[in-house]
Formats: sequence, structure tokens, C-alpha cells
Amino acid sequence: KAGVTQTPRYLIKTRGQQVTLSCSPISGHRSVSWYQQTPGQGLQFLFEYFSETQRNKGNFPGRFSGRQFSNSRSEMNVSTLELGDSALYLCASSLSGPQADTQYFGPGTRLTVL
Amino acid sequence: DQQVKQNSPSLSVQEGRISILNCDYTNSMFDYFLWYKKYPAEGPTFLISISSIKDKNEDGRFTVFLNKSAKHLSLHIVPSQPGDSAVYFCAAKVGSSNYQLIWGAGTKLIIKP
Repeated sequence: KAGVTQTPRYLIKTRGQQVTLSCSPISGHRSVSWYQQTPGQGLQFLFEYFSETQRNKGNFPGRFSGRQFSNSRSEMNVSTLELGDSALYLCASSLSGPQADTQYFGPGTRLTVL
Repeated sequence: DQQVKQNSPSLSVQEGRISILNCDYTNSMFDYFLWYKKYPAEGPTFLISISSIKDKNEDGRFTVFLNKSAKHLSLHIVPSQPGDSAVYFCAAKVGSSNYQLIWGAGTKLIIKP
């Protein structure tokens, strides 16, 4: 079974631009969660999608948004990029939700904002 | 305010010895705890978990201990192997319906040959 894939793996943007990251979950998984990882901060929860609906949301500004398609693939968008948005963005998929079982993470997208 | 704290950014252990990674939490509502391992350029992978109704869970070389009164959990790796060199994250579950995993900042474990 193929694992969670994320594209692109690396991205360099400048302040003020917007960016879209993509995540393809494991086949059959309907829940996709997004996390931001910065040095010394661990993983910060962004949001979780299940069956095309945002089910849970972390404490991030509205510049961070996402969506999920009918095939469970998910995209995350960050508008008006700031230097502090430089981070590793991880997505994780699970069968029905993080509370029911473990999550399987993708390798992440490394975003650098200049 | 960090609800899950891993106070050691790094830990160096001799191969064959025991590695002990610690994690403290502040929220007494946490009812489920997980440990993940992360290699460079890869996403975290699930390692072991423990429910708050237990105080110990064992899986091969990995054992997690939970001390609810001290709000402390620890991961023991015995014996430590070179392939265990990675960043270890502990995470805690909040709530039952609106689920969020609260993560610690991670501890980098280095196994010396």
C-alpha cells in the first residue's frame, strides 16, 4: 500500500505571495490532518478534514486554509506569506480520525519564505 | 503555554544501554498519549501509545510508563541500537469528539557505537 505523499517537497516563496501544498492520503483513509513543524516548537495542529468537511481547527490565522476533495486528497493554502511561515508542513492520514487510530505521516513540504 | 513538554532537546546514549526519554504535561484532561519517531526527511512514525487507565505499555524493546499523579510519561528503549537515532515526539490527546493532538517539541536521541 502506498504511503502518504506530499507535493512539492521543497518550496521557496517571498513575503506576500501565496502557496498551495498538496497531500494524498493512504488509499481508503478519509481523514487528513495538517501540521506545522518549526524548530523547538514541535508539531502545531492546523486542521483536520474528513469526507470533504473541516472537522477540527487549530489556532492559526485565517491566512491558513484547506480543503479536501472527494477522493480524500487535501490541499492547504497559505495566503500573504510571512517570514514566520517558514516551516515543515506535514500531513497525516488515518482511517476515520486521529482519535480512533494512529496517523500515518507524509514526508512533509519544506516551505522557505524569503 | 506548552501543555506537553520535552525538556531535553537531545540525549546521547551508548549502544546497548537503556535510553530514557521524558515528557511532562500540564493538562489533567489528557487521556491518551503517543510516542512518534522521526528520521530526517521523513514524517513521524507511530511508535507506541498508552491510555490513562494504564501505567505501563510494552512493545518489544520499547516501554512507555505513565505517572498520572506527576503528569509525567517516559519512553524506555532497551537495548538501544544505532537505528534508534532519531527525534522522538510525545503527543497527548485532548477531548473525545473535537480531537487534537498536542505535541512536545521533540528530543533528538543519538546512539553512540
